[in-house]
Amino acid sequence: DQQVKQNSPSLSVQEGRISILNCDYTNSMFDYFLWYKKYPAEGPTFLISISSIKDKNEDGRFTVFLNKSAKHLSLHIVPSQPGDSAVYFCAATLFSQGGSEKLVFGKGTKLTVNP
Amino acid sequence: ETGVTQTPRHLVMGMTNKKSLKCEQHLGHNAMYWYKQSAKKPLELMFVYSLEERVENNSVPSRFSPECPNSSHLFLHLHTLQPEDSALYLCASSQGGGRYETQYFGPGTRLLVL
Repeated sequence: DQQVKQNSPSLSVQEGRISILNCDYTNSMFDYFLWYKKYPAEGPTFLISISSIKDKNEDGRFTVFLNKSAKHLSLHIVPSQPGDSAVYFCAATLFSQGGSEKLVFGKGTKLTVNP
Repeated sequence: ETGVTQTPRHLVMGMTNKKSLKCEQHLGHNAMYWYKQSAKKPLELMFVYSLEERVENNSVPSRFSPECPNSSHLFLHLHTLQPEDSALYLCASSQGGGRYETQYFGPGTRLLVL
């Protein structure tokens, strides 16, 4: 059963407009959330994160919002640029019984920003 | 070299072959991870090493055998794989295997099992 869901496999936006990528989770034990970006033939690269004690974190053009009651987070990119075209993965962390932290990923959303 | 490197980038092997994937991190981290990404599936954690000790084995079949000789190197030894093991295998590292750490990924090895 998937604990982190990205229900939109793809998203297309116009350059300069806002991109909104959504992520839902089911496990209320998750307490730290991250967004990774992946270009073809490269590994995922860390973009931005948010702790469960916050509802918003901003870094330049990227803002992540967390709604714990809805178990929902979103990544806003504004303004979107063609170089933002990539696959975006939402991830959540869980502290396992083995004493290590596990990252649980969504399937990803492919963002295309059109010039 | 900087960051996390993985070799080979592509690998084709038969079901009876034995091969190894290599990961090296140049970040001074103490924790390393193996992930598998199959087509249309999320990244799945396979193994976690912290200070060269395996601290997590995520119910991975024994035909995958990890090895961490030091905190900079991680191997994944493969033998008698199945075609369904074809996937992208990603290595990652983090500072110390603690809480709220960012994991840094390598570019991955794309594996095809025939």
